[in-house]
Amino acid sequence: SQTIHQWPATLVQPVGSPLSLECTVEGTSNPNLYWYRQAAGRGLQLLFYSVGIGQISSEVPQNLSASRPQDRQFILSSKKLLLSDSGFYLCAWSIAGGPNRQYFGPGTRLTVT
Amino acid sequence: TQLLEQSPQFLSIQEGENLTVYCNSSSVFSSLQWYRQEPGEGPVLLVTVVTGGEVKKLKRLTFQFGDARKDSSLHITAAQPGDTGLYLCAGGGDSWGKLQFGAGTQVVVTP
Repeated sequence: SQTIHQWPATLVQPVGSPLSLECTVEGTSNPNLYWYRQAAGRGLQLLFYSVGIGQISSEVPQNLSASRPQDRQFILSSKKLLLSDSGFYLCAWSIAGGPNRQYFGPGTRLTVT
Repeated sequence: TQLLEQSPQFLSIQEGENLTVYCNSSSVFSSLQWYRQEPGEGPVLLVTVVTGGEVKKLKRLTFQFGDARKDSSLHITAAQPGDTGLYLCAGGGDSWGKLQFGAGTQVVVTP
């Protein structure tokens, strides 16, 4: 069966510091991968998605970037965090070319102070 | 951009009551997903509907996809405290597997 991991689970970082959040998927090959941000109790905003190694598409202009160095690894980064980067970050995967079903990781709670 | 509107935004009911959550759009989707999310956790996929007029049942939960594939509803019968959570609908149809999410309906079921 497939599993998706995210770490860290929680993170508190000062403004201006760098960020690296990691997501890995097990049990599947060549998945589509997604990064979302969620405001408290609300819907999900798609930040980035990737359909293959080294291929990244950005949905909204922002202070963040993403990379996919391996087939089942997706990384969300920032060189200098802003207060507005605080939120709940979710990684998801789906079967490439399959139904639009996405499966989510447990999320990372980021607080920028 | 395809927009999905969920209503109501918040629903508080007593255990044993029924509830319905709606998800509406002016756009057609090839599929519609419903998720439930608990605080501090990732959303969990409940169901996918793909055919206009389709009805799926998952124990006390009934999901319906509109005939025109623009809207959907989630009905919970005899709600229990364990049904408490944020319910999200998401429409699909993009070739990259992207989903358009609604803003969510927060459901609270009190004993």
